[in-house]
Amino acid sequence: RKEVEQDPGPFNVPEGATVAFNCTYSNSASQSFFWYRQDCRKEPKLLMSVYSSGNEDGRFTAQLNRASQYISLLIRDSKLSDSATYLCAVNSHSGNTPLVFGKGTRLSVIA
Amino acid sequence: NAGVTQTPKFQVLKTGQSMTLQCAQDMNHNSMYWYRQDPGMGLRLIYYSASEGTTDKGEVPNGYNVSRLNKREFSLRLESAAPSQTSVYFCASSEVAGPYGYTFGSGTRLTVV
Repeated sequence: RKEVEQDPGPFNVPEGATVAFNCTYSNSASQSFFWYRQDCRKEPKLLMSVYSSGNEDGRFTAQLNRASQYISLLIRDSKLSDSATYLCAVNSHSGNTPLVFGKGTRLSVIA
Repeated sequence: NAGVTQTPKFQVLKTGQSMTLQCAQDMNHNSMYWYRQDPGMGLRLIYYSASEGTTDKGEVPNGYNVSRLNKREFSLRLESAAPSQTSVYFCASSEVAGPYGYTFGSGTRLTVV
């Protein structure tokens, strides 16, 4: 099992739809979790951290399920501008070790 | 604007040539990283520097060397470029290694022919 796995998609959804992505991780000792957004031919940009209790930022909600070892990202009321690749990142070991990134899930929001 | 600056943005090398990718950050971050991104492979860590004066190998270090020149700068060197090193290279930084979000540079697109 790879350290961090994501469904590559693409997810093609109409404007206004709700879409959810999952990301599974293999190391139960992982402590830190993030979602990044990457536009075509651009660098990844931090979208949001994922906290144990779940957290929300506008139309975006992130959740952590430690028992099943996955994190999720929910996007409500999808906009055309949400079209991008979404990368999850996990601090794969306890302590100060670098983030391991998933390969990304591609989202296309269609008018 | 504050952030991570990478140079060059584009480069074409011939097999066997050498080059150094430069990265500098002005956020007073302690930790810096080099990743490469290939289609279907995602971001893979090449080397990182948890703090000034230290460097460690990542997942794919072969064929690369790094230098943490000072707190701001972290360079990546290809001594003898190979076509397999054709990729997009991203430098990133964070306050400390691990449990903090990273800020990425805009990337270097390298083609080795």
